[in-house]
Amino acid sequence: ETGVTQSPTHLIKTRGQQVTLRCSSQSGHNTVSWYQQALGQGPQFIFQYYREEENGRGNFPPRFSGLQFPNYSSELNVNALELDDSALYLCASSSTGGNTIYFGEGSWLTVV
Amino acid sequence: DQQVKQNSPSLSVQEGRISILNCDYTNSMFDYFLWYKKYPAEGPTFLISISSIKDKNEDGRFTVFLNKSAKHLSLHIVPSQPGDSAVYFCAARPSGGTSYGKLTFGQGTILTVHP
Repeated sequence: ETGVTQSPTHLIKTRGQQVTLRCSSQSGHNTVSWYQQALGQGPQFIFQYYREEENGRGNFPPRFSGLQFPNYSSELNVNALELDDSALYLCASSSTGGNTIYFGEGSWLTVV
Repeated sequence: DQQVKQNSPSLSVQEGRISILNCDYTNSMFDYFLWYKKYPAEGPTFLISISSIKDKNEDGRFTVFLNKSAKHLSLHIVPSQPGDSAVYFCAARPSGGTSYGKLTFGQGTILTVHP
C-alpha cells in the first residue's frame, strides 16, 4: 500500500475524445509525476508537478496536460485521443528531498 | 535513445538460488538509481535504491551494486522465492534540485522463479 490512489482503474474511449485521469498522492508528498506505460515497455515520464506548476516534461505532445491542486492531488488530461494512447497511466508521488518515489496502481486506458 | 537498458528480457531461476538482474545506463547526469517490481495489473512497487556515492546497498534478500565507471548496476536476490516472480524495472534519476519524480526506466526483465 503506497498511499497513492488513482481513478478510474479502467476506461475505454473513442479516438478523438478527451480523457481526465486523477491521482491522490501520498500524505506529505508535494511532487506528483505521471508516466505512460505501453505494453511490454518500461514507464515513460510524461511530466512532473511541484507546487501546482509543471516542472519538467518528457517527450509528449501538448495535448497531454495536467494540473496539481493545493492538496497536491493531480489530474492528467489527454485531448484528441489517438489509438497509440492506449496504455497504463501511472501516477507517482514523492516529497522534496525525498529519494523514494511511490506509484499508484495505474489507470488502464483503451482507445478504440 | 535508450538511456537505461535492461538487456535481458527474461531470467529463469530455481527457488533458493541467486537471481541477478542487470541494468546499464548512458547518462552521466544520473545520480540515483531505483529498482521496482511489478506484477500484472498493478503499479510498480519500490524495492531498493542506491545513491551514486555508494557502490552497494543491502535490504534483506535484496542487494544492489553500482559500478559508476562502467555505468552498470545489478540487483541480487538471495535466496530467490517463487513469490519474486514478476517484472523488474531499473530506473534512474538525474541530479538537480527538483528532479525527484523524473525517472528514466529500463524496459524491464521478467523474472521467473521455479519451485
